[in-house]
Amino acid sequence: EDQVTQSPEALRLQEGESSSLNCSYTVSGLRGLFWYRQDPGKGPEFLFTLYSAGEEKEKERLKATLTKKESFLHITAPKPEDSATYLCAVQYVQGAQKLVFGQGTRLTINP
Amino acid sequence: GAVVSQHPSWVICKSGTSVKIECRSLDFQATTMFWYRQFPKQSLMLMATSNEGSKATYEQGVEKDKFLINHASLTLSTLTVTSAHPEDSSFYICSARTSWASEQYFGPGTRLTVT
Repeated sequence: EDQVTQSPEALRLQEGESSSLNCSYTVSGLRGLFWYRQDPGKGPEFLFTLYSAGEEKEKERLKATLTKKESFLHITAPKPEDSATYLCAVQYVQGAQKLVFGQGTRLTINP
Repeated sequence: GAVVSQHPSWVICKSGTSVKIECRSLDFQATTMFWYRQFPKQSLMLMATSNEGSKATYEQGVEKDKFLINHASLTLSTLTVTSAHPEDSSFYICSARTSWASEQYFGPGTRLTVT
């Protein structure tokens, strides 16, 4: 069964304290890996798509990287407004158009 | 770009009644739309996939007679929860994608409470 596992489940950081979130996936024909941000009571907001190992994408304080087994979302010098749940989702070749979501990492940035 | 709206944003209905949720892609044509539900502090669970003009494909365990999905145009999909019960109370989120991109863009969600 295709699985997506995110760690840690929750992370508390001080403002300015950089860290990384992890997303690991079963290797069975990756078509794409997606990162989303979700605020409480809202739908996920698209951040990045990664397609192949070695690929990197950046947006403001966020950088996503991809290896053959996992992806990292690096957060540099975070601000309180970066507090949210970050979701990783994988689209597999054999899964048609479906996304398999991880459980998310709930990130809190304290001022 | 890539804006998806949902209506209503929240709804309360009585047990046994039906409720319809609309999902619209505002600035692009969505060949495929998806419906998810999300319970508190849990991740998104895919309920069904719908392609414009075709019958929806439901995930295992999702009752297709209870959750009716219609995708009549390239910008509109609807989810109707029929004979709703309190256990159907949840956060329902739709997403949409075009035929030429793999990203799914999500709506803001609809909070359904069945009393």
